[in-house]
Amino acid sequence: ETGVTQTPRHLVMGMTNKKSLKCEQHLGHNAMYWYKQSAKKPLELMFVYSLEERVENNSVPSRFSPECPNSSHLFLHLHTLQPEDSALYLCASSQEGSVGSYEQYFGPGTRLTVT
Amino acid sequence: RKEVEQDPGPFNVPEGATVAFNCTYSNSASQSFFWYRQDCRKEPKLLMSVYSSGNEDGRFTAQLNRASQYISLLIRDSKLSDSATYLCVVNNYGGATNKLIFGTGTLLAVQP
Repeated sequence: ETGVTQTPRHLVMGMTNKKSLKCEQHLGHNAMYWYKQSAKKPLELMFVYSLEERVENNSVPSRFSPECPNSSHLFLHLHTLQPEDSALYLCASSQEGSVGSYEQYFGPGTRLTVT
Repeated sequence: RKEVEQDPGPFNVPEGATVAFNCTYSNSASQSFFWYRQDCRKEPKLLMSVYSSGNEDGRFTAQLNRASQYISLLIRDSKLSDSATYLCVVNNYGGATNKLIFGTGTLLAVQP
């Protein structure tokens, strides 16, 4: 079973709502990621946290706000989303170090629908 | 040009067939390579890493050609359970962290 959990698994929200997605990794990794997966598109990297510091922000709109309180937990706070933000949001973790081929392990995702 | 390009398929093959997927990547400085598998409405899961010398894991064989910037995955003796989307993934180390670039995936449907 996956060592990365995400809640909720499904979320329907209106454009004026505020909600948060939660991710927890039980693998002892030091880096965590948020990805967006829309239909017919490749996974898009949104944010990267390494050792609890944000090291990547891929031009994501400010209506998405990440938070990483410690190396095991990652949140994605959502507010005033648009219908085009409807997608599968995946969290992943990995063990970062020197250059290498460290694999990323994914959580089951949160399927978000914005109405 | 996309950073990672794959034939989206679908590949419809009978059980027992051999099927090959190809992938090309644009960044010659890419350092490591993977194939992930994603079942319908599930998360991607690592299938195998891809090494320059080629590597095999049971019915699965992965090859890397750095000169041509080309990665392949061969599945022998296809099973119904192999039906999934296969994602070609390239790792570009970005100074602070590893950055995975995903292809759109190739859909495989194994028919009884």
